[in-house]
Amino acid sequence: AQKITQTQPGMFVQEKEAVTLDCTYDTSDQSYGLFWYKQPSSGEMIFLIYQGSYDEQNATEGRYSLNFQKARKSANLVISASQLGDSAMYFCAMREGGSSNTGKLIFGQGTTLQVKP
Amino acid sequence: GAVVSQHPSWVICKSGTSVKIECRSLDFQATTMFWYRQFPKQSLMLMATSNEGSKATYEQGVEKDKFLINHASLTLSTLTVTSAHPEDSSFYICSAGGQDPYNSPLHFGNGTRLTVT
Repeated sequence: AQKITQTQPGMFVQEKEAVTLDCTYDTSDQSYGLFWYKQPSSGEMIFLIYQGSYDEQNATEGRYSLNFQKARKSANLVISASQLGDSAMYFCAMREGGSSNTGKLIFGQGTTLQVKP
Repeated sequence: GAVVSQHPSWVICKSGTSVKIECRSLDFQATTMFWYRQFPKQSLMLMATSNEGSKATYEQGVEKDKFLINHASLTLSTLTVTSAHPEDSSFYICSAGGQDPYNSPLHFGNGTRLTVT
C-alpha cells in the first residue's frame, strides 16, 4: 500500500530565506505522481507543484521546487525567498497510476510552516 | 478561478438531523470525485471515491450508511451525513481532477465545516 511520510510537524523560517519541507513515500507502483499542496488557515487546498515518477528533471514553479530523489523515495519541497504569506500547512501527496487505480490522492501528515518577519 | 465548487462552506445542525454537502466541477466533467475528512491540525483522510452512475467506494472504517454519497451527474457529487452526532463535526472537503491519474492534480473545493450540536 502507498504511504506518505512527513516527519516535520512544524517549521520556522525567517522571511526571505529558503526552507525545505521533507517528504518520503513508499509505493510498489512504477507510475505515480507526487504533489504538494498548501492549506492556509482558511482551509482551501492550493496546488503548488507536481513531479511525475518518470520525470528526470526536478519540477519548479516560481519560488517552489521539488527535490526528487527517486532511489531514496523522497520528494522534498523547497520554498525560496520565504514570504509571510507562505505561513500555512503544507501537504505532500501521491497518486498512483495504472488502469486499476482510481487516481485517489493519499496525503502525508502535513507540516505547519511559520514565516517570521 | 475555482474549478471545484463546494456548498455550503459551513453548517451547524442539531444532533440526529441529516446534512447534505454538494460538490460541483465547474468547467470539466468528473467521472470520479473524492471526499475527504479533516480534523483540526491533522491530515486529510480519504473517506470515499464517488463514481458517476455507480456506487461509491468507501475506505476501510467509513460507514457507508452514515455517509451517503450520490454522484448523479458528471459535474455533481453529494455527501449526506445522516443522523449526525457531535463526533461527526469536522471539515469535509471534496476534490476532482483530470483522468490521467498520476499526471494531473486534484482540485479541491473550499471545504465544509460541519458542527453538530
